[in-house]
Amino acid sequence: SQTIHQWPATLVQPVGSPLSLECTVEGTSNPNLYWYRQAAGRGLQLLFYSVGIGQISSEVPQNLSASRPQDRQFILSSKKLLLSDSGFYLCAWGILAGSGETQYFGPGTRLLVL
Amino acid sequence: AQTVTQSQPEMSVQEAETVTLSCTYDTSENNYYLFWYKQPPSRQMILVIRQEAYKQQNATENRFSVNFQKAAKSFSLKISDSQLGDTAMYFCAFNNAGNMLTFGGGTRLMVKP
Repeated sequence: SQTIHQWPATLVQPVGSPLSLECTVEGTSNPNLYWYRQAAGRGLQLLFYSVGIGQISSEVPQNLSASRPQDRQFILSSKKLLLSDSGFYLCAWGILAGSGETQYFGPGTRLLVL
Repeated sequence: AQTVTQSQPEMSVQEAETVTLSCTYDTSENNYYLFWYKQPPSRQMILVIRQEAYKQQNATENRFSVNFQKAAKSFSLKISDSQLGDTAMYFCAFNNAGNMLTFGGGTRLMVKP
């Protein structure tokens, strides 16, 4: 069966510091990978998605970047964090089948920028 | 562009009773998927149920079932025999080939003992 991991689970970082969040998927090959951000009490905002190694699409221009160095690894990064980067970050994987794609989410990372 | 609307920001239900969460969507596509995701206090997004638009039969997963009305573009979630662990945010979502997953604004469900 497929599983998705994210780490760290919680992170407290000062403004201006770098960021690296990691997501890995097991039990599937060539998945589509996604990074979402969710503010408290709000819906999900799609940040980045990837359909293959080295292929990254950005949905929202911002202080963050993403990379996919391996088929089942997706990394979210920042060189200098802003206060507005605080939030809950969710990674998801999906595979297109038929009329659409079902996405499965990781446990998430809580990021607090102080 | 697709849109998903959940008109009930908050709902509550007594334990063991039945509750229905509403969702409407707008699309010009004929083939697509619809989903209900649950987000408990842990904040992990958990897939509850999925409906493929070409299937006329409503999807069912244990205590969870949907009422899919394609012509009306309506996709409601019924939770039977509500349990305290059903307390969560519930998001309706839409997806079709070539497009991103589109979420509704969510409904906060509280199950009361």
